[in-house]
Amino acid sequence: EVQLVESGGGLVQPGGSLRLSCAASGFTFSSYEMNWVRQAPGKGLEWVSYITSSGSTIYYADSVKGRFTISRDNAKNSLYLQINTLRAEDTAVYYCARGMGTFDYWGQGTLVTVSS
Amino acid sequence: EIVLTQSPATLSLSPGERATLSCRASQSVSSYLAWYQQKPGQAPRLFMYDASKRATGIPPRFSGSGSGTDFTLTISSLEPEDFAVYYCQQRSNWPLTFGGGTKVEIK
Repeated sequence: EVQLVESGGGLVQPGGSLRLSCAASGFTFSSYEMNWVRQAPGKGLEWVSYITSSGSTIYYADSVKGRFTISRDNAKNSLYLQINTLRAEDTAVYYCARGMGTFDYWGQGTLVTVSS
Repeated sequence: EIVLTQSPATLSLSPGERATLSCRASQSVSSYLAWYQQKPGQAPRLFMYDASKRATGIPPRFSGSGSGTDFTLTISSLEPEDFAVYYCQQRSNWPLTFGGGTKVEIK
């Protein structure tokens, strides 16, 4: 059974940093592209970042470019999102999602709250 | 950036009725469009991909159609578990984008 489990969310002050993790199991993680997608409270879905199976190609949404860094460790079956210089508008549930353009499996999400 | 516009924002229907959800793209996305269902407090779930292909485990009462800029998700006869928010999403161009969602609520 495919499982994606996010962790690392929490309350952080504006300008702060967090590192989100996504632990994958039930499939060959190193063979799949992965993404981060976020959802602000009561709002719709926003794609954040994408990384290829090898990590060689990475894309970001303009709203996070220069502040967020996606990475992966295939030996640990894990996906990461380093988020820096956090703003109030980054408050959201952050989901990791598998797939190249179409997200066929999602984690349950981890909540990031940016507030002083 | 490709903008996806979903309509209506809310659809109020009764169980057993037919639901028709629309997604319009600001430029052609070919058939690279997916639909997701999201229930309160849950992660989204893939329902349709490449416009008309049902994801694993999705019942045949769900169908998708369209290409280019106009797409439709149809639920032929609403079951109680179908009341949720539905999002369309394109993978034709970066950045990947989602529509604003259509909430299907019980009338």
